[in-house]
Formats: sequence, C-alpha cells, structure tokens
Amino acid sequence: NAGVTQTPKFRVLKTGQSMTLLCAQDMNHEYMYWYRQDPGMGLRLIHYSVGEGTTAKGEVPDGYNVSRLKKQNFLLGLESAAPSQTSVYFCASSSFSGGWSETQYFGPGTRLLVL
Amino acid sequence: KQEVTQIPAALSVPEGENLVLNCSFTDSAIYNLQWFRQDPGKGLTSLLLIQSSQREQTSGRLNASLDKSSGRSTLYIAASQPGDSATYLCAVHSGGGADGLTFGKGTHLIIQP
Repeated sequence: NAGVTQTPKFRVLKTGQSMTLLCAQDMNHEYMYWYRQDPGMGLRLIHYSVGEGTTAKGEVPDGYNVSRLKKQNFLLGLESAAPSQTSVYFCASSSFSGGWSETQYFGPGTRLLVL
Repeated sequence: KQEVTQIPAALSVPEGENLVLNCSFTDSAIYNLQWFRQDPGKGLTSLLLIQSSQREQTSGRLNASLDKSSGRSTLYIAASQPGDSATYLCAVHSGGGADGLTFGKGTHLIIQP
C-alpha cells in the first residue's frame, strides 16, 4: 500500500495564480483532512471531509476550497494565491470507530511558495 | 477553543538516557490523543494513539500516558538512540465526530551520540 500520497511535492506560484493540490489514499478511509504547517504556528486544519461528496471547514479555511468527488481523493484548491498561503500542506486520512476518527495517517507534504 | 502546549520546546540529551516529553491541553473533553514524529522536511509518522478511556499505550521503547482530568500526556522514551532525533508532536481530537486534530508546536529532540 502507498498509504497517503500528495501531488505535487513542491510548487512556486505568483500572487493571483490558481492551483490544485491532490491527495490520494488507498486505505479505504472515510475521513480525509487538509492541514497547513507554518513556523511557530504548528499544524492547523484547513478543511476536512467525512465521506465522498461531503466537506467541512476547519480552523483556517479562508482562501481555500476543497472537493471530495471520489472516496480515495481529496483536492485542495487555491483560486487566487497570496503570499500568506506560503506554507507546507499536509493531507491526512483516517478510519472511524464509535463515531470518531482513529489514527490519522499523513502524506509527505506539498511545499508551496507564493511570490 | 482547545489549546495544546508542549514542554520543552527543545531538548538535547546523550545517547542512552531515558527521557520524558510533556503535553498539556486546555479542554479535557477529548476523544483521543495522538503522538507523532516528524523528521526534517518529511511528513508525520504516527507513534501512539490513546483513546480517552485509556491511561497509557506502549510501543517498543515508547510509552505514552494520558491523564484526561488534568489535561496532561507524557511520552516516555527509553534508552534513547541517535535515530530518535526528530520533532515530536502531540495532538488531541476534541471536536465532535470528524473534526481534525489540534496540534502542539512540538518538542525538537536531539540525541547526542
């Protein structure tokens, strides 16, 4: 199993450009998450999904959109990139039991630089 | 709002020592707590998950404890090795259902050979 994979690994954007980050998991997990990691701030939740076709906002959702058209994929979109979105983006997935998530498994991350 | 604090922020010890990393959280109404390891430039690797009904979990040289009422968890590493050098992150799941994890800022650990 590949686990959680993320595409691309690194990207440079100019302010105002758009892009989509792709996350894929092969563990048949229901739940998927997008986090960003910034120096001094730790990891913060952007958006998450509890199943195909459903998404919800996390702690820092502004400037991002997400879609979960297939169970195994979770897309994170930046419509108009800003320098404040320079960060490392991590995707994670988990199964659930008793109504809440179990161990979260993380992808290797995408480093995004917005100039 | 849940807040997670990790102490110390950095720690450097000689190889072979036993050590303890601390994590505290402000809202004791959690579902579970997870410890991760992160190597430079890499993703997060899950080490241990403790459900709210559990007191501790063990994996090899690692032992994590949870005292939910006091809002504390510790990660104990026995007989440390240079390969244990990494940043260790504590995270709690306190939202309803599938809300994501709230992370501490981590403890940067260096094991000196």
